[in-house]
Amino acid sequence: EAEVAQSPRYKITEKSQAVAFWCDPISGHATLYWYRQILGQGPELLVQFQDESVVDDSQLPKDRFSAERLKGVDSTLKIQPAELGDSAMYLCASSLVAGNPNTEAFFGQGTRLTVV
Amino acid sequence: GIQVEQSPPDLILQEGANSTLRCNFSDSVNNLQWFHQNPWGQLINLFYIPSGTKQNGRLSATTVATERYSLLYISSSQTTDSGVYFCAVDHYGNNRLAFGKGNQVVVIP
Repeated sequence: EAEVAQSPRYKITEKSQAVAFWCDPISGHATLYWYRQILGQGPELLVQFQDESVVDDSQLPKDRFSAERLKGVDSTLKIQPAELGDSAMYLCASSLVAGNPNTEAFFGQGTRLTVV
Repeated sequence: GIQVEQSPPDLILQEGANSTLRCNFSDSVNNLQWFHQNPWGQLINLFYIPSGTKQNGRLSATTVATERYSLLYISSSQTTDSGVYFCAVDHYGNNRLAFGKGNQVVVIP
């Protein structure tokens, strides 16, 4: 069964260090999203890609966060330097058809980040 | 942005009981999805339901878009139904989902 793959599942890092998360969407899905979920809250969108292009990164803290999807397939989200408040679950999602608003999003298992 | 409110925030059920979870949203939507977040954090798709009624086993969902709400029904609950249920909506038609805070459900044997 096709699924969104994420790694690592868990990451513990010290504050001020750099950390990176990887996501491989469902094959053929043009749209890829990164969400952040703080404990006890619903996920919030950080960045949306359409193929290799960023279509929305208005909620991405660009002073420390960066995201790329160079070949329009897998994606990397980076934090440098990490802060204590970045501890959260980072979820990747993908959906099928570019430009069609009526498509279902599928999520990966997430990366749980703890900054100490 | 659009507001998504879920109720009740917490629910404890005896195994075998039925329950209804509600999602209210403040504006028109192009898409609405219900998810179940398992204890390991993964969001499992339950329903894609911008309008109408759908059923999948013991779960069913109804969205009344004109009245800006959706309901998720759980019948004959099982302990495996425990977890957090999220409603998420796409208001702008760009596939960007806005989530509610979730319904925490605990099913006790």
